[in-house]
Amino acid sequence: GAGVSQSPSNKVTEKGKDVELRCDPISGHTALYWYRQSLGQGLEFLIYFQGNSAPDKSGLPSDRFSAERTGGSVSTLTIQRTQQEDSAVYLCASSLSTSGGTQETQYFGPGTRLLVL
Amino acid sequence: AQTVTQSQPEMSVQEAETVTLSCTYDTSENNYYLFWYKQPPSRQMILVIRQEAYKQQNATENRFSVNFQKAAKSFSLKISDSQLGDTAMYFCAFGSHGFQKLVFGTGTRLLVSP
Repeated sequence: GAGVSQSPSNKVTEKGKDVELRCDPISGHTALYWYRQSLGQGLEFLIYFQGNSAPDKSGLPSDRFSAERTGGSVSTLTIQRTQQEDSAVYLCASSLSTSGGTQETQYFGPGTRLLVL
Repeated sequence: AQTVTQSQPEMSVQEAETVTLSCTYDTSENNYYLFWYKQPPSRQMILVIRQEAYKQQNATENRFSVNFQKAAKSFSLKISDSQLGDTAMYFCAFGSHGFQKLVFGTGTRLLVSP
């Protein structure tokens, strides 16, 4: 089926505004992950969902960041009161499960490039 | 905590030649997975190859192969017969068994020239 999709592809916002980033995982994938990629950096883990639950929120950089997942499918990452340091590419990935083997392989979406002016 | 190190920020290779990208990692775990992902300018992270730590045999995928040295905690990627389309950022990543996140290196930018 289709791969992981993310929207919008690009987002420009003003400092202090809220933004919502959307991720549609591969159909049937129960696990969903959010990462952030700042300019010239590797990927930084933000949060992970198993179904609709987020057992690991340890990577969220501040309480301005939150995420939810509904129906075990679509996820939204919300950044409140955006700051210039939030500018980055936000990547979403999904995997069939976390039970081991090839089912754990993560497949990535094309990302959302966020620019905070 | 696990760490992944890619010591080559940039590499260049001519078309049809072979290039090796280096990756080392640090972990106290015995059961884990290692990955190479490719990120072209389109931003899409594409899985290149995967290795399970319990397998002694090195993974291969067409022109891509790895040299996995578990004791040395080394996981290099060899690209044979390089093609222009191989130009991209390459990221090495570590995942624990039952992992909920991947730990990435900072990437190696590979340029394949005609």
